[in-house]
Amino acid sequence: EVVLTQSPGTLSLSPGERATLSCRASQSITNFYVAWYQQKPGQAPRLLMYGASNRATGIPDRFRGSGSGTDFTLTITRLAPEDFAVYYCQQYGSSLLTFGQGTRLE
Amino acid sequence: QVQLRESGPGLVKPSQTLSLTCSVSGGSIGSGDHYWSWIRQRPGKGLEFIGYIYYTGSTYYNASLDGRLRISIDTSKSQFSLELRSMTAADTAVYYCARGVAILAGRYYFDFWGQGSLVTVSS
Repeated sequence: EVVLTQSPGTLSLSPGERATLSCRASQSITNFYVAWYQQKPGQAPRLLMYGASNRATGIPDRFRGSGSGTDFTLTITRLAPEDFAVYYCQQYGSSLLTFGQGTRLE
Repeated sequence: QVQLRESGPGLVKPSQTLSLTCSVSGGSIGSGDHYWSWIRQRPGKGLEFIGYIYYTGSTYYNASLDGRLRISIDTSKSQFSLELRSMTAADTAVYYCARGVAILAGRYYFDFWGQGSLVTVSS
């Protein structure tokens, strides 16, 4: 099983600031098969990024994904008030899909 | 726009079987491009992949639940279902159905999710 460790657990920032969220895998993930999701209270997760750096439909360009191998990053260049939520990474490089434990952006 | 909606009981007694159904609209469940999946989220916790079914009926289950789990599909009704036997308090969670976008066999990310169904296990 590929274990994904997200850091930090909680990130405290203000609107307009830059957020950097990390996702580290216990083994190398093939072909950049990492996705990122945003979840707000009482809602289902929403797909933000796939293939490590591809924005999903309708996702603003302030969201940027990068990384390879075992280290992946989600960057939000200028935080908007609606960006405060929990973010999860997911790998799909192995049969058992796994998620990170989440980073809370407050 | 693709929509998924879970339906099923909100309360299950210990040792009983949970049955949930996901109804899909706005897209074909019989497409080879997608994996139809279940994911759960225990209270205050992260996301746990449960398993998927392909339109052909082939399945993959998380080994941690294997032996208790069955996922089925009815393409004529645009529905897929989950059965989880021998429920315990540890199975209390919000259960989501989701559509997986196939990249390779069994490799996918989730582009559409249901709103989630809270299932509580309690006598």
